[in-house]
Amino acid sequence: GAGVSQSPSNKVTEKGKDVELRCDPISGHTALYWYRQSLGQGLEFLIYFQGNSAPDKSGLPSDRFSAERTGGSVSTLTIQRTQQEDSAVYLCASSSGTRGNEQFFGPGTRLTVL
Amino acid sequence: QKEVEQNSGPLSVPEGAIASLNCTYSDRGSQSFFWYRQYSGKSPELIMFIYSNGDKEDGRFTAQLNKASQYVSLLIRDSQPSDSATYLCAVKMDSNYQLIWGAGTKLIIKP
Repeated sequence: GAGVSQSPSNKVTEKGKDVELRCDPISGHTALYWYRQSLGQGLEFLIYFQGNSAPDKSGLPSDRFSAERTGGSVSTLTIQRTQQEDSAVYLCASSSGTRGNEQFFGPGTRLTVL
Repeated sequence: QKEVEQNSGPLSVPEGAIASLNCTYSDRGSQSFFWYRQYSGKSPELIMFIYSNGDKEDGRFTAQLNKASQYVSLLIRDSQPSDSATYLCAVKMDSNYQLIWGAGTKLIIKP
């Protein structure tokens, strides 16, 4: 079956603009995660969804970041008034929520803020 | 603060040798353990998971878990240049959907 997909694959924007990043999880996966990875760095957790609810938003860096998930499927991460420090690869992962909770990653969106 | 520690490397191993990657974790309640491989410019890919103490083998890969000592290892036998990547360790408690991630070990297999 299809894996996790993300769009766009690359996004270049100007400082101060808003951007929306999209994630389509594996069909049937109830849990969805957003991470950020800066060049040469580890994974930074942003937010986790179980169904359409976000029990853990603790990783969102500021109130410029928000995310939603609809229909227990597609999720959108929105960054308002982008800053240069927002430049990174944004990764989405999904899991079935069974015992192991193995997470499967999408290809990521590379965001560059000029 | 739940933590997962990995040596950042780089770990350099000759082709054909065994590569040994290690990970320690702080939370004794951890129940599930994962190894991901990440090639440069790509997203992480799940290669192994282990729940029980002992060894789990899958092809050239063996995951080893020791809950008493709070470490999990990944052995790669007959290392190939294509194994060169960053290996991420992740740990999960059963009561939580979150994974706690290590920063990764960069592995270089030298031909």
